[in-house]
Amino acid sequence: TQLLEQSPQFLSIQEGENLTVYCNSSSVFSSLQWYRQEPGEGPVLLVTVVTGGEVKKLKRLTFQFGDARKDSSLHITAAQPGDTGLYLCAGPLTGTSYGKLTFGQGTILTVHP
Amino acid sequence: DTAVSQTPKYLVTQMGNDKSIKCEQNLGHDTMYWYKQDSKKFLKIMFSYNNKELIINETVPNRFSPKSPDKAHLNLHINSLELGDSAVYFCASSKRTGIEQYFGPGTRLTVT
Repeated sequence: TQLLEQSPQFLSIQEGENLTVYCNSSSVFSSLQWYRQEPGEGPVLLVTVVTGGEVKKLKRLTFQFGDARKDSSLHITAAQPGDTGLYLCAGPLTGTSYGKLTFGQGTILTVHP
Repeated sequence: DTAVSQTPKYLVTQMGNDKSIKCEQNLGHDTMYWYKQDSKKFLKIMFSYNNKELIINETVPNRFSPKSPDKAHLNLHINSLELGDSAVYFCASSKRTGIEQYFGPGTRLTVT
């Protein structure tokens, strides 16, 4: 059972287009994190959202945490080839011991010049 | 300065061999982790140590044994390697449990 469902799994777009990646769960999370992983590298943290309804912006990236803290989205405006990579959402389930992180299965984004 | 480092970057070995992967973090973090990323890019936690104490031990074959000699190091030893162990293994660390993690560059293990 996948606790965090990401969609879409694959996204191939042209430079300049906008896109949204979704991270959904039936469980409540105390926070959600978004990571980006480039080929041959480890995941790098982009942002953490903590409060239900929270919106955070990181240049052209906008992250939102659902009001019920069960879902999150990542929106990229005017995508660039440098945005290409694997995007992962992750979060510690409430009530789990030691805050074990659960990861979504990832969204592979390819931005063509 | 590299925050979380792993060695080796690539490891190619035959079935039945024993191998180790080393991890070091210079961030002063209390918690360290080992993850396995399969061919579909799914990242799954294997172990976690907090202040050298094992706190998370997922359903991992006992051929895998982590060792934390101090807070800055977490090594992974694998006995009797099998084809299914082929994957990328990531070490990570965090200030404390359940918060943002910093990942190493990964070790690509190929078992032939």
